[in-house]
Amino acid sequence: SQKIEQNSEALNIQEGKTATLTCNYTNYSPAYLQWYRQDPGRGPVFLLLIRENEKEKRKERLKVTFDTTLKQSLFHITASQPADSATYLCALAGSGGYQKVTFGTGTKLQVIP
Amino acid sequence: ETGVTQSPTHLIKTRGQQVTLRCSSQSGHNTVSWYQQALGQGPQFIFQYYREEENGRGNFPPRFSGLQFPNYSSELNVNALELDDSALYLCASSLIGGEETQYFGPGTRLLVL
Repeated sequence: SQKIEQNSEALNIQEGKTATLTCNYTNYSPAYLQWYRQDPGRGPVFLLLIRENEKEKRKERLKVTFDTTLKQSLFHITASQPADSATYLCALAGSGGYQKVTFGTGTKLQVIP
Repeated sequence: ETGVTQSPTHLIKTRGQQVTLRCSSQSGHNTVSWYQQALGQGPQFIFQYYREEENGRGNFPPRFSGLQFPNYSSELNVNALELDDSALYLCASSLIGGEETQYFGPGTRLLVL
């Protein structure tokens, strides 16, 4: 069955450092991969989308890589700030007639001042 | 803010009861997806509606049903509530035929006693 793995342990980093979160998947051939941010008690907020034929995508301090051979995506936040503290969700979607999106369990990031 | 609203924000029901949750999609979107998110887990896909028809379904029993209205607002109905149905219920609107990004509402927190 399809499986998406994110580091279930919280990631603590010092303010100003680069945070790197990992998303691994098995038994899946996604057409694209998305990263979302979720704050406690709130709905996920879309951050970045990267397609299967793209290797890297950037948006301001965020960078996503996508390696379909390794079946892995890395999500980087450079110059991290305490306001970046949240849970980050990886989500995969296949091609086809409907947009079934499968989410990972998320990684909680804590940026320490 | 995404422009997606959900009501109510919180709800307490007892086992065996029925519940209806509501979602108002972002303007211009033709698709709504519903997700269940248990504590500490990623959102789990329940189903998706496109132009008022169910367009895909996850691994949820038939007592989970939905509707999408001509104005693209939506309802999630759950019959015969079970304790395990306690979760955050999220709706997400998107545009099939446009960008693949899903915009989530704030969610409805359901507690089944």
